[in-house]
Amino acid sequence: QSALTQPRSVSGSPGQSVTISCTGTSSDVGGYNYVSWYQQHPGKAPKLMIYDVSKRPSGVPDRFSGSKSGNTASLTISGLQAEDEADYYCCSYAGTVFGGGTKLTVL
Amino acid sequence: QVQLQESGPGLVKPSGTLSLTCAVSGGSISSSNWWSWVRQPPGKGLEWIGEIYHSGSTNYNPSLKSRVTISVDKSKNQFSLKLSSVTAADTAVYYCARAVVVTVSSWFDPWGQGTLVTVSS
Repeated sequence: QSALTQPRSVSGSPGQSVTISCTGTSSDVGGYNYVSWYQQHPGKAPKLMIYDVSKRPSGVPDRFSGSKSGNTASLTISGLQAEDEADYYCCSYAGTVFGGGTKLTVL
Repeated sequence: QVQLQESGPGLVKPSGTLSLTCAVSGGSISSSNWWSWVRQPPGKGLEWIGEIYHSGSTNYNPSLKSRVTISVDKSKNQFSLKLSSVTAADTAVYYCARAVVVTVSSWFDPWGQGTLVTVSS
């Protein structure tokens, strides 16, 4: 099972919006609504931010949202804040494969 | 709320066996969830290793299947990972995580803090 494809890095200024893409195939991302997203700060464990493509766990700000179109899922962070600077990983339950990770820099 | 804590040796010799345990607190390992291991080599991304249900049923990453054994100890509310024939490529931070299962969907929450295992002589 190949890893899902994510951009290596994205950046944005405070208050702006950024979108991180996650591209798979019809066998994983495209075939099921089982995509989750994780935020990881340096030296820390990953934290669940989105599950089932677009659902937010309790406690996750509504600035974080998820969507999917075809074989590509997306995580959008609006109203960027300094504490959003972290690595973000997508994951498809089908085959339990992760994306390579995207480093978000808040300028 | 459920919390997970990994434990085990931080240094393993090449060709040896890596052994880790994940203690579950704040909830029962016999709940309707799967219990997973995920690893992260230094500076790299996440890799799913495998998972176990309290019944003992397991699923493994095909790329590691020949070397991985995951087991559960319900009496101690913990589960364990063994990875045999390790090389330097197995050096990583190893995380345990609960795989929440709802109908046929699943996601990882929460995660343990992770433990660094270095393979070196």
